[in-house]
Amino acid sequence: AQKVTQAQTEISVVEKEDVTLDCVYETRDTTYYLFWYKQPPSGELVFLIRRNSFDEQNEISGRYSWNFQKSTSSFNFTITASQVVDSAVYFCALRVSGSARQLTFGSGTQLTVLP
Amino acid sequence: DVKVTQSSRYLVKRTGEKVFLECVQDMDHENMFWYRQDPGLGLRLIYFSYDVKMKEKGDIPEGYSVSREKKERFSLILESASTNQTSMYLCASSLLHHYEQYFGPGTRLTVT
Repeated sequence: AQKVTQAQTEISVVEKEDVTLDCVYETRDTTYYLFWYKQPPSGELVFLIRRNSFDEQNEISGRYSWNFQKSTSSFNFTITASQVVDSAVYFCALRVSGSARQLTFGSGTQLTVLP
Repeated sequence: DVKVTQSSRYLVKRTGEKVFLECVQDMDHENMFWYRQDPGLGLRLIYFSYDVKMKEKGDIPEGYSVSREKKERFSLILESASTNQTSMYLCASSLLHHYEQYFGPGTRLTVT
């Protein structure tokens, strides 16, 4: 069975601070995919990134970066120089290859960026 | 851009009523999904469908059924709504062999 743990339920930071959202996953499969989604107050989940288990290169997209470490089964997400518009719930998710087409989601981290 | 729409943003129903939640996507996606989202539990899959008239149970199908008569439309049905089905319901879609799911805005259902 798969499991995704986001231990941080809520995080508050002041604008321009850097913040890291943690994600730890469990799977016995060697081929799998990891995702991050953002859910702003409007409610619609927005896809941010997908990573497969064979690609451990870190990824940077503007102020966003992702650190994938198989050795610790973690896929952490860092926002640099946070902005108020980054306030949202962030979900980490896992899908194993060959499984049904479902994603296993973590419980989410509510990020609040204060002005 | 992929567009996934849900029939209502907010819905209030009484216990025992039959409830229909509709989801439509306009990108010819084969896969469609229904999730419910509850605080502290993340998103949990109720049902999904990979083709017209095809469906598979997710993690929490009890008390729900689904219908997919057309490729673009996926309906979630609560045969007899109960208060423990008060939740946010999210629909998503994806291409058959692609992994990214695209979500609708959600329907917040309250059962009183």
